Amino acid sequence: GENVEQHPSTLSVQEGDSAVIKCTYSDSASNYFPWYKQELGKRPQLIIDIRSNVGEKKDQRIAVTLNKTAKHFSLHITETQPEDSAVYFCAGGCGSGNTGKLIFGQGTTLQVKP
Amino acid sequence: EAGVAQSPRYKIIEKRQSVAFWCNPISGHATLYWYQQILGQGPKLLIQFQNNGVVDDSQLPKDRFSAERLKGVDSTLKIQPAKLEDSAVYLCASRDSWGYEQYFGPGTRLTVT
Repeated sequence: GENVEQHPSTLSVQEGDSAVIKCTYSDSASNYFPWYKQELGKRPQLIIDIRSNVGEKKDQRIAVTLNKTAKHFSLHITETQPEDSAVYFCAGGCGSGNTGKLIFGQGTTLQVKP
Repeated sequence: EAGVAQSPRYKIIEKRQSVAFWCNPISGHATLYWYQQILGQGPKLLIQFQNNGVVDDSQLPKDRFSAERLKGVDSTLKIQPAKLEDSAVYLCASRDSWGYEQYFGPGTRLTVT
C-alpha cells in the first residue's frame, strides 16, 4: 500500500548548525508534500510544503527539495535555534480535490542544543 | 478565522467503555479528516468526509469505531467498546476542497485503562 518513510527518527544538532530530514514515498501519483512541526502536546502545524511541479522551495531558514524520479523529498533547516526543537512530520499524497488525502511519516524528533 | 475545534481535550476511560469525540472544522471546509496518533508515531488516517459523505474509511476499525458528519459541518467519532491499544491522540483536520493545506485541531488525548 501507500507508504511514507522518514529518517532519522531522532536528530540532535548544535545551535547554528543545519538539520536535514529525509522522506521517501511509494505512490507515484502523489503530488503534494507538506512538512508539519508538532511541539509537545500541541497540534501539527504546517511549516512548508511543495507540489510535484516544483523541485525546491525556500522560506527563510527552511527549504524543501523534491526528487520525483527517486521519490524522495527532504527538509533543510539552516542556522537552527532552540525553538526549532520539536517533532517534524513529512507527508505525501494527492493533496487537493474531493478525495485528496495524505500519508504521514513516522516523525523526526529534532533537538537543538544551545 | 477560527481554527478547528475539538472536545474534550482529555478523556480517561476503562477498557470496554464507550467514548465520543467531537470536531468542528473551519467554516466552509467541506473536507474533514479524523486521525489517530499513537505516541511516537505519525498521524494515521481513520476516516475522511467530503461534506456529509464518507470518502475513505479503509483504515477505520469498523467493529468498534464509527463516525458521522450528518449535516456536513461538525463530526463525531465514537469508540465502543474501547481497548487498551486505542490509547492515542485523536486529531481532527479540515481542508477547503480545492486547497491543499490540512488544518489540525488541538486533538483529544484518550487514555484507556
